Amino acid sequence: EPEVTQTPSHQVTQMGQEVILRCVPISNHLYFYWYRQILGQKVEFLVSFYNNEISEKSEIFDDQFSVERPDGSNFTLKIRSTKLEDSAMYFCASSETYRDLRAFFGQGTRLTVV
Amino acid sequence: QKEVEQNSGPLSVPEGAIASLNCTYSDRGSQSFFWYRQYSGKSPELIMFIYSNGDKEDGRFTAQLNKASQYVSLLIRDSQPSDSATYLCAVREDTGRRALTFGSGTRLQVQP
Repeated sequence: EPEVTQTPSHQVTQMGQEVILRCVPISNHLYFYWYRQILGQKVEFLVSFYNNEISEKSEIFDDQFSVERPDGSNFTLKIRSTKLEDSAMYFCASSETYRDLRAFFGQGTRLTVV
Repeated sequence: QKEVEQNSGPLSVPEGAIASLNCTYSDRGSQSFFWYRQYSGKSPELIMFIYSNGDKEDGRFTAQLNKASQYVSLLIRDSQPSDSATYLCAVREDTGRRALTFGSGTRLQVQP
């Protein structure tokens, strides 16, 4: 069964450093998302991406964050100047079409900022 | 602030029983409703979705939606120990938006 793949599974970074989290969405999917889940808290929407541009973003997704689809398969989340409070699980998700609203999640990247 | 509310639990049921999980949402414009299962330390796994008032059944799972009451529920029949997980309710708010708003989840424990 096709699945969303995320790398790395765990990333440790120093405060102030930049990190790039990588995702390979399901191959025929057109909509891509990033969510995050701080330990013990709700899953929170960050951003959605369609047709090579951001279609929606939340208040969390400020200038510290950016997304990119550098090629036909990868979808990345860049976090600049990381802070301790950026420590969370980051989930990539994808959905197939405009009419299919089901979002399928990758296994997540645990980001630890020290 | 649009809210999705769930009882955090734990909800404990014996093996073979019916587990009933509930969710309320604040935004009357909400269009689509999803139930995800999340095992500890893992990612959300989609198990059910419902768009229209009424019931939708898929195997042991039944989703129920009542838009007038702003209420969605998930019934799990013949509960198994492997169903023990946190169940997340997620709501898509209105047409044109694709962001999901999640509840904090209900932890289900199925006792063997």
